[in-house]
Amino acid sequence: SAVISQKPSRDICQRGTSLTIQCQVDSQVTMMFWYRQQPGQSLTLIATANQGSEATYESGFVIDKFPISRPNLTFSTLTVSNMSPEDSSIYLCSVEDHGGNTEAFFGQGTRLTVV
Amino acid sequence: TQLLEQSPQFLSIQEGENLTVYCNSSSVFSSLQWYRQEPGEGPVLLVTVVTGGEVKKLKRLTFQFGDARKDSSLHITAAQPGDTGLYLCAGGTQTGANNLFFGTGTRLTVIP
Repeated sequence: SAVISQKPSRDICQRGTSLTIQCQVDSQVTMMFWYRQQPGQSLTLIATANQGSEATYESGFVIDKFPISRPNLTFSTLTVSNMSPEDSSIYLCSVEDHGGNTEAFFGQGTRLTVV
Repeated sequence: TQLLEQSPQFLSIQEGENLTVYCNSSSVFSSLQWYRQEPGEGPVLLVTVVTGGEVKKLKRLTFQFGDARKDSSLHITAAQPGDTGLYLCAGGTQTGANNLFFGTGTRLTVIP
């Protein structure tokens, strides 16, 4: 298992501004994943963050809107840029344990409200 | 994209009742996980099943993986208010960078 610390846990932001979310893992991992969870819904993968290369974005998500950094094997950031109320969601950082079966471990999430 | 449909989407029951949540797909998965998410927290892994037909029990929770490894069910006996949360199934594959596909979710409320 992995212990994942994510911050901030919540924030209220003005539209047009940007917020950077940090994710720290207690062990080295090759890939880190960023998900969005809109109110009352399941998880949607935004992108996969690889150390030493650009993040891989899923359909509907672009680097200009959600730039990601991955400076080392234990840390990643996700920035939500030029925010609008539609960006109000929970953003979750995750790592996967591929030892045998794929199992995911999550941070506690960042609850973002854009006003 | 492997799609996992969960049913029901919402479920509200009285304490002590039994319930079953279903997770269905047209895709075959190498493993199937169930997660529970409580407000203000990330999802937490409950169980992993890997063999078609496999049944696992975790106290009052019983998990089953379909014979064809396309579907799964979660049965809760004598539900308690502490079982309240969002239940997510997730199918695992062995190919590609993203190996986990999450279901649509079931929000359970157990009323004392």
